[in-house]
Amino acid sequence: AQSVTQLDSQVPVFEEAPVELRCNYSSSVSVYLFWYVQYPNQGLQLLLKYLSGSTLVESINGFEAEFNKSQTSFHLRKPSVHISDTAEYFCAVNTNTGKLIFGQGTTLQVKP
Amino acid sequence: ETGVTQSPTHLIKTRGQQVTLRCSSQSGHNTVSWYQQALGQGPQFIFQYYREEENGRGNFPPRFSGLQFPNYSSELNVNALELDDSALYLCASSLDRVGVMNTEAFFGQGTRLTVV
Repeated sequence: AQSVTQLDSQVPVFEEAPVELRCNYSSSVSVYLFWYVQYPNQGLQLLLKYLSGSTLVESINGFEAEFNKSQTSFHLRKPSVHISDTAEYFCAVNTNTGKLIFGQGTTLQVKP
Repeated sequence: ETGVTQSPTHLIKTRGQQVTLRCSSQSGHNTVSWYQQALGQGPQFIFQYYREEENGRGNFPPRFSGLQFPNYSSELNVNALELDDSALYLCASSLDRVGVMNTEAFFGQGTRLTVV
């Protein structure tokens, strides 16, 4: 069975500092990988995705994630965070079972 | 194009009652998925509807049921509500079934259900 583990439930960081949110998955089949962001009292927004090709994927707001097949990881990084990045971040995998499997989420708290 | 819209945004029900949540999919999308997100947890897959037929179901009891209409909008029905059903219910629409390559799910704002 597929599963997703987000290793940190909360990540506090100061503004303009770098950040990494960790995600590991388990699957015996090929997966598609996603990061979603959820702002307070809102639904999920797709941040970035890995489907195939280059293992490094980037979003328009400065986040990037790298697919590492050998380590079954898809960590999310940003070199310099902003207050507005404060949110809940979810890693998810998609196989051919018709569903997204989400991790427990990581709360990114950016402090001034 | 319009996004995914859900109604109502908030709802309070009493244990044992029944509830219907609604979702309008994004224009051109023929697939709708429903997820339950308990407080402090990641979303859990309930089921997916593709062209009005159920196409995959998660580990939820039969009192969770759904419908998809010819215009691809959808309803989630929950009977005999329990306190543990309190959660944010998210609807997501997509151009094709989740799992088909390159299919991206677009989420609505969710319905916050509180069972008392």
